[in-house]
Amino acid sequence: KAGVTQTPRYLIKTRGQQVTLSCSPISGHRSVSWYQQTPGQGLQFLFEYFSETQRNKGNFPGRFSGRQFSNSRSEMNVSTLELGDSALYLCASSLSGGLDEQYFGPGTRLTVT
Amino acid sequence: QKEVEQDPGPLSVPEGAIVSLNCTYSNSAFQYFMWYRQYSRKGPELLMYTYSSGNKEDGRFTAQVDKSSKYISLFIRDSQPSDSATYLCAMKRGGSNYKLTFGKGTLLTVNP
Repeated sequence: KAGVTQTPRYLIKTRGQQVTLSCSPISGHRSVSWYQQTPGQGLQFLFEYFSETQRNKGNFPGRFSGRQFSNSRSEMNVSTLELGDSALYLCASSLSGGLDEQYFGPGTRLTVT
Repeated sequence: QKEVEQDPGPLSVPEGAIVSLNCTYSNSAFQYFMWYRQYSRKGPELLMYTYSSGNKEDGRFTAQVDKSSKYISLFIRDSQPSDSATYLCAMKRGGSNYKLTFGKGTLLTVNP
């Protein structure tokens, strides 16, 4: 069974631009969560989607948004990029969220210059 | 005070050593506990998932949870150079809050 895939793997953007990251969950998984990983803050929860609805949200500004499609694929968008948004963005999928095990993708490394 | 505290290390041990990795937490609402392993430039990989206090063993790995002390541990027996990675503890509340709260990770190096 294929794992979680994320595209692109690397991105370089300029301050003020916006970016869209994509995540394809494991087949059959309907919950997708997004996390930001930085050396200073570690892994922090952004949001979780299930059946095309945002079910949980972390403490990030509104510049961070996401959506989920009917095939459970998910996208995350960051608008008006800031230098501090440079991070590894990870998505994780699980069968239905909740107490199910979460499996992570390899991440998208975003660098904002 | 952060909800989850984890010593970042780095921790360096010789091959074959027993490794002990630990996390403490402050929020008694955490009910489910996980250990992830993350190799450089990779996503975290789930190693252990536990709920109740006590020990859970899987091969060379043992996860220990002490809810009364708000303390969890991961033991690695007969450590191998391939175990060199960052180890992250993660926790989850019960109910409808599904987010994982992570420790910052401990960097482990096992020397041949």
